[in-house]
Amino acid sequence: EDQVTQSPEALRLQEGESSSLNCSYTVSGLRGLFWYRQDPGKGPEFLFTLYSAGEEKEKERLKATLTKKESFLHITAPKPEDSATYLCAARGAGGTSYGKLTFGQGTILTVHP
Amino acid sequence: DTGVSQDPRHKITKRGQNVTFRCDPISEHNRLYWYRQTLGQGPEFLTYFQNEAQLEKSRLLSDRFSAERPKGSFSTLEIQRTEQGDSAMYLCASSLVAAGNKETQYFGPGTRLLVL
Repeated sequence: EDQVTQSPEALRLQEGESSSLNCSYTVSGLRGLFWYRQDPGKGPEFLFTLYSAGEEKEKERLKATLTKKESFLHITAPKPEDSATYLCAARGAGGTSYGKLTFGQGTILTVHP
Repeated sequence: DTGVSQDPRHKITKRGQNVTFRCDPISEHNRLYWYRQTLGQGPEFLTYFQNEAQLEKSRLLSDRFSAERPKGSFSTLEIQRTEQGDSAMYLCASSLVAAGNKETQYFGPGTRLLVL
């Protein structure tokens, strides 16, 4: 069964203090590793998709990287508006399930001014 | 706005009542997914459609749950005889499967259900 685990569960940063979020995955035949941002009471907002080890994607202060077992979301010089829950999800190729996403529990990021 | 929309955004019901949620996907997206999310957890897959065909249902989806996607456009998720454990955020996502079976799922705002 596909599994995705995120760490830490919560992260508090000062504005400008860079850090990384971790996503470990066990998926049969990875067909995509996804990062989403979710604000309270809202649906997840798509950030990145990574397909193969070594791939990197960047958007503003965020950079996502992928290895064969983990993905990292690096946040450089964060601002208070980056505060949100960040969700990692994997899409596997096993059986007929290759459409669905398996999510981690999320990392709650709080950036203090 | 051309994003995924869901209706209603909030629903309060009494235990034992039936509820129905609607999802309108992004135009021309051929796949539609339903997920459920409880507080402090990531979304959990419930079921998905490719066009009008329901291709997979999770073990989480008891026989009190039914989903439809008539004509491959909007979808409805019905919960019969609601229980307090059904209280959650119900999320809909849609995607367009591209070459190489690549797809990105875009989520709607969700319907928050509270069963009293």
